[in-house]
Amino acid sequence: QKEVEQNSGPLSVPEGAIASLNCTYSDRGSQSFFWYRQYSGKSPELIMSIYSNGDKEDGRFTAQLNKASQYVSLLIRDSQPSDSATYLCAVTTNSGYALNFGKGTSLLVTP
Amino acid sequence: ETGVTQTPRHLVMGMTNKKSLKCEQHLGHNAMYWYKQSAKKPLELMFVYSLEERVENNSVPSRFSPECPNSSHLFLHLHTLQPEDSALYLCASSQVAGAHNEQFFGPGTRLTVL
Repeated sequence: QKEVEQNSGPLSVPEGAIASLNCTYSDRGSQSFFWYRQYSGKSPELIMSIYSNGDKEDGRFTAQLNKASQYVSLLIRDSQPSDSATYLCAVTTNSGYALNFGKGTSLLVTP
Repeated sequence: ETGVTQTPRHLVMGMTNKKSLKCEQHLGHNAMYWYKQSAKKPLELMFVYSLEERVENNSVPSRFSPECPNSSHLFLHLHTLQPEDSALYLCASSQVAGAHNEQFFGPGTRLTVL
């Protein structure tokens, strides 16, 4: 069973700080990596995708990928209370057709 | 709100009922997916369709039956469900099925089986 592991949290950070969310995966054949944000009672919303080793920045979000270590992370700079949500890490399956999801990390940004 | 819609948003059904969930995507995508999200568990892939052909399904009980009549519509037919099938059922779509393809989710159908 291919797995995606995340700390469930909650991760609590003060407003304005950097939130760091981590994810490890077991399938070395995975090629694509995604971060979704899910507010309580809502569906997942795609916020970042990353396909090659290194960093990818989009606004306040930076995704980092290290395929050798099978590790992907998401940094949120200048965290806002509106960033409080569950963040899901998703990794393509070996077939490439679908995604394996982690259980998510709950982030709480306190004013 | 995304370009993926799902109806109904909430559904309560008995174990002997037959019902269908509907998903429609307005993004011009060619791949559609059904996922199940239960409390305390990761999202579980149920079915994948690419150009109206099923390309992957993950050991889903036969009481769940998908149908994809065209690339914009996806259905999940439900019959003789069990209480443990109560969950949030999410539909997603992507440009094509395969790596490097971002999936976009609909709002989900909250299903309760009594």
